[in-house]
Amino acid sequence: GNSVTQMEGPVTLSEEAFLTINCTYTATGYPSLFWYVQYPGEGLQLLLKATKADDKGSNKGFEATYRKETTSFHLEKGSVQVSDSAVYFCALSPYNQGGKLIFGQGTELSVKP
Amino acid sequence: DVKVTQSSRYLVKRTGEKVFLECVQDMDHENMFWYRQDPGLGLRLIYFSYDVKMKEKGDIPEGYSVSREKKERFSLILESASTNQTSMYLCVVQGGNTEAFFGQGTRLTVV
Repeated sequence: GNSVTQMEGPVTLSEEAFLTINCTYTATGYPSLFWYVQYPGEGLQLLLKATKADDKGSNKGFEATYRKETTSFHLEKGSVQVSDSAVYFCALSPYNQGGKLIFGQGTELSVKP
Repeated sequence: DVKVTQSSRYLVKRTGEKVFLECVQDMDHENMFWYRQDPGLGLRLIYFSYDVKMKEKGDIPEGYSVSREKKERFSLILESASTNQTSMYLCVVQGGNTEAFFGQGTRLTVV
């Protein structure tokens, strides 16, 4: 079946540190891959996405590359800010399943000044 | 962007009550989904619908049902609420090009 596994949190970093949040997936066919972010007290919003192998999604300094050979979609940012503190969800949408999303368990990021 | 409105932000219900969670979209999209969000478990799919009067079970449908009488409205029903259904419930609408739009969520507490 389809599933997503993220690294466990919470992750605590100092401002300007490098961030990596690991995400691996299991899927049949060619899913689309997403990172969603949930800031404190807010709903989920799309951070970035990639729809085919070797695509790189990027937004707000974050990026992730769709790696089919390792079934991974790790989230990275070169220099985090306090305002990046949030919960990050990796998700996949299986090919030809009408937009259904399968989420990882979420990784809480806390950035200290 | 699609606006997705959930009828309540917070609800407190008693064990055994029948609970209705409403979700309304302001566009004409077919695909609507109900998830519950729990710490450490992420979002899990309860039910979804691709059209009026159509419904499909997700990964955790037990104890829930849904109704889609109009295209813009998708309701989640807890037939007899139990304490293990205390959770954050999220309605999601899928727009074109695989983009998903989320409601603000309903935090349900069953006492």
